[in-house]
Amino acid sequence: AQTVTQSQPEMSVQEAETVTLSCTYDTSESDYYLFWYKQPPSRQMILVIRQEAYKQQNATENRFSVNFQKAAKSFSLKISDSQLGDAAMYFCAYRGDGGSQGNLIFGKGTKLSVKP
Amino acid sequence: EAQVTQNPRYLITVTGKKLTVTCSQNMNHEYMSWYRQDPGLGLRQIYYSMNVEVTDKGDVPEGYKVSRKEKRNFPLILESPSPNQTSLYFCASSLTGNHSPLHFGNGTRLTVT
Repeated sequence: AQTVTQSQPEMSVQEAETVTLSCTYDTSESDYYLFWYKQPPSRQMILVIRQEAYKQQNATENRFSVNFQKAAKSFSLKISDSQLGDAAMYFCAYRGDGGSQGNLIFGKGTKLSVKP
Repeated sequence: EAQVTQNPRYLITVTGKKLTVTCSQNMNHEYMSWYRQDPGLGLRQIYYSMNVEVTDKGDVPEGYKVSRKEKRNFPLILESPSPNQTSLYFCASSLTGNHSPLHFGNGTRLTVT
């Protein structure tokens, strides 16, 4: 079974600085997608960025980028120029080829605080 | 605007009183799913649907029912709610049942007393 692990329950960053959130996963599948979701205090689940496993190039979305290391099964999220609105829970998630109920498997989350 | 709409946002009820949480998506997605989110347990899948009239159990289906009579709607039914079903519920949809990202509704905070 696939698992997703986020080893940092909480992180803190100064406004305008850069922070990296860690995520590792375990799978025997070769084709899968990885995602980072943001959950602000409003409780919405917002897709931040996605990475296709067969793509070598790391995904980037404005101030958000990932460091995808397939062999190491690592998928970290880097937030550059942190803003107060980035404060939220961040979830790393895995989705495979449909054999697992189409389920999105989530890590336990990292709570990010942004200090002004 | 492409979205997943679930209602209500907040619901307080008593043990045993049947309730339905509605979910609708306007993106013509094939796949829909329900999750519950609890502190320390993360998000867990309750039921999912690969397409119209095709539903199946997720990881925590006990006490819940679903139906998928139309592509856009996927209601969650609690026939006899109990306090252990107090939780934050999310409906989600995606284009297909694999690979594509899930789009989430805004959540329903359910309290069962």
